[in-house]
Amino acid sequence: EAGVTQFPSHSVIEKGQTVTLRCDPISGHDNLYWYRRVMGKEIKFLLHFVKESKQDESGMPNNRFLAERTGGTYSTLKVQPAELEDSGVYFCASSQDRDRVIGDTEAFFGQGTRLTVV
Amino acid sequence: QQQVKQSPQSLIVQKGGISIINCAYENTAFDYFPWYQQFPGKGPALLIAIRPDVSEKKEGRFTISFNKSAKQFSLHIMDSQPGDSATYFCAAKAHGGATNKLIFGTGTLLAVQP
Repeated sequence: EAGVTQFPSHSVIEKGQTVTLRCDPISGHDNLYWYRRVMGKEIKFLLHFVKESKQDESGMPNNRFLAERTGGTYSTLKVQPAELEDSGVYFCASSQDRDRVIGDTEAFFGQGTRLTVV
Repeated sequence: QQQVKQSPQSLIVQKGGISIINCAYENTAFDYFPWYQQFPGKGPALLIAIRPDVSEKKEGRFTISFNKSAKQFSLHIMDSQPGDSATYFCAAKAHGGATNKLIFGTGTLLAVQP
């Protein structure tokens, strides 16, 4: 079974340019999350989709970031225009619905996209 | 404000030794505490997790110790091996609510020397 897949693995762009990151979750997972790790700091929550709906976008830094999940399948995260402080590793994760008996279900992470803004 | 504080930032352990990583939290609504292991070039992967109704959980060489009153939890890696060298993240999640977001610590880079 394929895991969470992210494209591209690395991206180097100039300040002011636009970059779009893509995440393909595990098939059948309704929950999709975006996280970001700035060098040496914690992995920070950005956004949570349930199917195609944004459940929680409290972690989005500002309106330069736009996340979409068309048809409840793959998701894209666009940064426009990119700034130097946007550099970091962007992780996508997916999980099934919370199980009524056992509670939380495991979140599976992709390998991340390393974004460098110069 | 960092909700989950993790220490140390880095750790060097000899093969066969015990690796200990500590985390502390403030939010008493947290009720799920996973540890993630991340190898270079890979995403974080769930290693072991605990709920606050137990004080310890063991899976093979990995043990979580949980102190609810102190709001602290730790990961112990017994008989550490070079293959355990990775970055370890503690995390926490609050029960209920509409979101299942994880709150992570800053990570600990573990190096196990042969």
